[in-house]
Amino acid sequence: AQSVSQHNHHVILSEAASLELGCNYSYGGTVNLFWYVQYPGQHLQLLLKYFSGDPLVKGIKGFEAEFIKSKFSFNLRKPSVQWSDTAEYFCAVGTNAGKSTFGDGTTLTVKP
Amino acid sequence: DAGVIQSPRHEVTEMGQEVTLRCKPISGHDYLFWYRQTMMRGLELLIYFNNNVPIDDSGMPEDRFSAKMPNASFSTLKIQPSEPRDSAVYFCATRDRATDTQYFGPGTRLTVL
Repeated sequence: AQSVSQHNHHVILSEAASLELGCNYSYGGTVNLFWYVQYPGQHLQLLLKYFSGDPLVKGIKGFEAEFIKSKFSFNLRKPSVQWSDTAEYFCAVGTNAGKSTFGDGTTLTVKP
Repeated sequence: DAGVIQSPRHEVTEMGQEVTLRCKPISGHDYLFWYRQTMMRGLELLIYFNNNVPIDDSGMPEDRFSAKMPNASFSTLKIQPSEPRDSAVYFCATRDRATDTQYFGPGTRLTVL
């Protein structure tokens, strides 16, 4: 079975700082990789996803993630965060078998 | 499409009462998931269905919890009897087969007094 590890439980940044959230997974086969975001008081929604092709994927609101197959990683980045990026971020792995496995989430707090 | 619809959005009940949460999935999605989210335990997968058939209910915490999907347009999660420790936000999500992406409903915030 696959598993997902998010390294940081809580990250605090000032506005305009750069962001990188770590995500590693364990699974020996082909995977689909996702980052979901949950703004305070809201539900999870898709931020970006990787299926195949260019390992650098771009999502909404200036976020991007890079799939490094050799490291089983799919880290999320943003060059300059805003206060409105305060949210919880979940990395997830799917195998086209129906169920995706979610990480424990990383809470990002951006101070104005 | 209206997205995944959940009702009620908020539920406050007393310990021992039966609680029924409802979910209307996005039409055409093949998998339906029930999650529970709390500060202490984070996001937990309770049960999921494929084409209305329960596939894995190993995340259901106790026999007090049950879920059904009588047709492709409707699912329920029932807690009987409810306890204060069941207080949480319960999310329903469905999967777009073409993209393997899950779409979450707005959630039901349950408070058991």
